[in-house]
Amino acid sequence: GQQLNQSPQSMFIQEGEDVSMNCTSSSIFNTWLWYKQDPGEGPVLLIALYKAGELTSNGRLTAQFGITRKDSFLNISASIPSDVGIYFCAGRPGANSKLTFGKGITLSVRP
Amino acid sequence: DADVTQTPRNRITKTGKRIMLECSQTKGHDRMYWYRQDPGLGLRLIYYSFDVKDINKGEISDGYSVSRQAQAKFSLSLESAIPNQTALYFCATSDHRTTEAFFGQGTRLTVV
Repeated sequence: GQQLNQSPQSMFIQEGEDVSMNCTSSSIFNTWLWYKQDPGEGPVLLIALYKAGELTSNGRLTAQFGITRKDSFLNISASIPSDVGIYFCAGRPGANSKLTFGKGITLSVRP
Repeated sequence: DADVTQTPRNRITKTGKRIMLECSQTKGHDRMYWYRQDPGLGLRLIYYSFDVKDINKGEISDGYSVSRQAQAKFSLSLESAIPNQTALYFCATSDHRTTEAFFGQGTRLTVV
């Protein structure tokens, strides 16, 4: 089945820094989603992308749907302590396909 | 109130016991999912249902069963719990017209 690759497993940054994460697939997806999971909570949708090349922002977060349709990027600018959590990418190859998740990246922000 | 509600939030059970985790949603979505989360392994799909009476196995369905009693309810059962089923379990919903999945707050299950 499809697999989504997210690496590294953990990232450590200083408060105020920008951070970029990417997600790659061996097959084409027509939808990319980015989720954040706070400790003890369920994942919450941050950004949804539906078209190759699409660039979408949500506050300090910006995500892009790669032109090849096999990757997506999430950028967080001017990080703050509450950005701590696990960031998952997810993708779907077609409308009736199930959503596939990456393994997530755990982000730590040092004050 | 949460749109996707899971009960219980925490459960400790003994090896060999049958246990049911419940999920209900008020979003009006037709599709529902059960995922399992283990550290470093991300979210793995156990079972999913695109409508009442539709049940599909995910990537790790062995040892689990589900029931879609109504459009708003999707329960997950462990017929005979074993310690390696200790994990965080999430229910999620989506609508066939969109792609976004919405998650419950999770059930932390410990099998001793």
